[in-house]
Amino acid sequence: GNSVTQMEGPVTLSEEAFLTINCTYTATGYPSLFWYVQYPGEGLQLLLKATKADDKGSNKGFEATYRKETTSFHLEKGSVQVSDSAVYFCALTDPGGSQGNLIFGKGTKLSVKP
Amino acid sequence: ETGVTQTPRHLVMGMTNKKSLKCEQHLGHNAMYWYKQSAKKPLELMFVYNFKEQTENNSVPSRFSPECPNSSHLFLHLHTLQPEDSALYLCASSQDAMTGTFNEKLFFGSGTQLSVL
Repeated sequence: GNSVTQMEGPVTLSEEAFLTINCTYTATGYPSLFWYVQYPGEGLQLLLKATKADDKGSNKGFEATYRKETTSFHLEKGSVQVSDSAVYFCALTDPGGSQGNLIFGKGTKLSVKP
Repeated sequence: ETGVTQTPRHLVMGMTNKKSLKCEQHLGHNAMYWYKQSAKKPLELMFVYNFKEQTENNSVPSRFSPECPNSSHLFLHLHTLQPEDSALYLCASSQDAMTGTFNEKLFFGSGTQLSVL
């Protein structure tokens, strides 16, 4: 079945460090890919998305490129800030068209220290 | 503020209690969702409502009963829950129900942290 695998957390970085959170997926067809972020005490928010192969989603300094050949959608940021501390979720739409079925990974907790 | 409001923020209940979770969205969306977020597990989609009609029930036990009286409100009625039902319950909405080719954005509420004793 369709699934998303994220790197295990927690990830702890110093401010201004480079961030990579790995995400790989298994899917039939051509899913759209998403990164959602959950700040402490809040619900999930869409961070960025990509809808087809080689698309790059970007927002707030974060980037991720849809790599069909490696079935990956790794999240990167060149210089993290304390305010980036949150849980990050990789997700894909169900290419089978199941309504509302956004398949999420388990989440990766990021802690950025000053 | 995402436009999706959930109440209460925290709820503690015994296994014999009956309680309800409430979700309200002011975004003019037509689709609403309940998700369950448990520690170290992926988010689990529970129910989907599109134009007030339930379009998906993801094999959820009958002790969880959703209700969608209109496009702006969604409830989750709880009765005779088990301790393993303790989790963060997230409500979300979108303009229309998501399909594989309709790349909608989900707007989430802050969730209700439920503890079942």
